Amino acid sequence: ELKVEQNPLFLSMQEGKNYTIYCNYSTTSDRLYWYRQDPGKSLESLFVLLSNGAVKQEGRLMASLDTKARLSTLHITAAVHDLSATYFCAVDGEYGNKLVFGAGTILRVKS
Amino acid sequence: NAGVTQTPKFQVLKTGQSMTLQCAQDMNHEYMSWYRQDPGMGLRLIHYSVGAGITDQGEVPNGYNVSRSTTEDFPLRLLSAAPSQTSVYFCASSYSASGIFEQFFGPGTRLTVL
Repeated sequence: ELKVEQNPLFLSMQEGKNYTIYCNYSTTSDRLYWYRQDPGKSLESLFVLLSNGAVKQEGRLMASLDTKARLSTLHITAAVHDLSATYFCAVDGEYGNKLVFGAGTILRVKS
Repeated sequence: NAGVTQTPKFQVLKTGQSMTLQCAQDMNHEYMSWYRQDPGMGLRLIHYSVGAGITDQGEVPNGYNVSRSTTEDFPLRLLSAAPSQTSVYFCASSYSASGIFEQFFGPGTRLTVL
């Protein structure tokens, strides 16, 4: 059974600081997805990582994938308040259509 | 394009009542899914469909039924609501492009069962 674990589950950061969210998964998969969710809103796709060594960047967020270690990271550079949200990673399950989600990381950036 | 739409946005039910959550997409996506979101548990897959007329169970299917008679619509039926079904429900659609199954989510339905 595929399991996806994120840590930390809650992260309080000062503006301007850097931090990393980790996503570990339990079975072989080459596809990993990161989503952002604002309070009371739906999920917005951030990154799709398709292969070992994939790295994608958008603004202050950078995501990477190590399929051998079954690990993805979401790195936040010089955090700003607007990045406050919940971040989920998800991995393809048995079929590509069946995503298994991590519990989510609640990020709060304090000014 | 409206993307993925869900109705209603909010619903309160009494234990034992039944209802249908509606989901529609106008992107001609072949895949559609229903998830529930509970605090601290991420999203869990309830049912999914790989095309019209084809559905299958996800991780937490008990108490829910689905059908997919058209590509556009994928309703979720609660047969006899229970307090444990209090949750936020998200419908999502996706298509396969070179093995990518990026899912597009609807706005969600917040359901409370008393």
